[in-house]
Amino acid sequence: QVQLRQSGPGLVKPSQTLSLTCAISGDSVSRNSVAWIWIRQSPSRGLEWLGRTYYTSKWYNDYAESVKSRIVINPDTSKNQFSLQLNSVTPEDTAIYYCARASPALGIWGQGTMVTVSS
Amino acid sequence: DFVMTQSPDSLAVSLGERAAINCKSSQSILYSFNNKNHLAWYQQKPGQPPKLLIYWASTRESGVPDRFSGSGSGTDFTLTISTLQAEDVAVYYCQQYYSTPYTFGQGTKLEIK
Repeated sequence: QVQLRQSGPGLVKPSQTLSLTCAISGDSVSRNSVAWIWIRQSPSRGLEWLGRTYYTSKWYNDYAESVKSRIVINPDTSKNQFSLQLNSVTPEDTAIYYCARASPALGIWGQGTMVTVSS
Repeated sequence: DFVMTQSPDSLAVSLGERAAINCKSSQSILYSFNNKNHLAWYQQKPGQPPKLLIYWASTRESGVPDRFSGSGSGTDFTLTISTLQAEDVAVYYCQQYYSTPYTFGQGTKLEIK
């Protein structure tokens, strides 16, 4: 049974970096034909797809244009997990952040992390 | 980006009755390579992540009750709940996975009348 377990702080100061990790059990971050996704949800933006990382002979990343200049999603094969870094955050980045597995629909989700950007 | 528009925004249906939620894509999400519509439906209850119900527009995820069904092709899709149960109260979302960013509809809130 595949499970995703998120970890990371729930409070980030403006202009700093939001960092979250998604640990995978029951699957491999390096498996072909699946992608590992970060999504966020807020009342103002709804469900917003942020980006993905996936392995097909080599590693690829895709990011939403809305965050492309500030986001990095990295796989960590040694720990079988993937991470989200979002730089230069503002209060508009306050949201529930989810990791998910895409194969290609989002059949497995993490539990969600409420992240508040505030000083 | 592909814009996904759901209707209605909210819906109240009596127990045992049929509920239908529509989703319209700004562009076709029928992929000629595999002749499949790259559309999924999710159910979200308060305090929980979304749960996958339907993928490829009409394929039920394992364990999803057969009262849930999906239909449509190209740009217009429908999620139908044949006989509404109390546990179906939730917000429902469609999502296209044809082209990144994989965008979602705004959600439809389903309540009991």
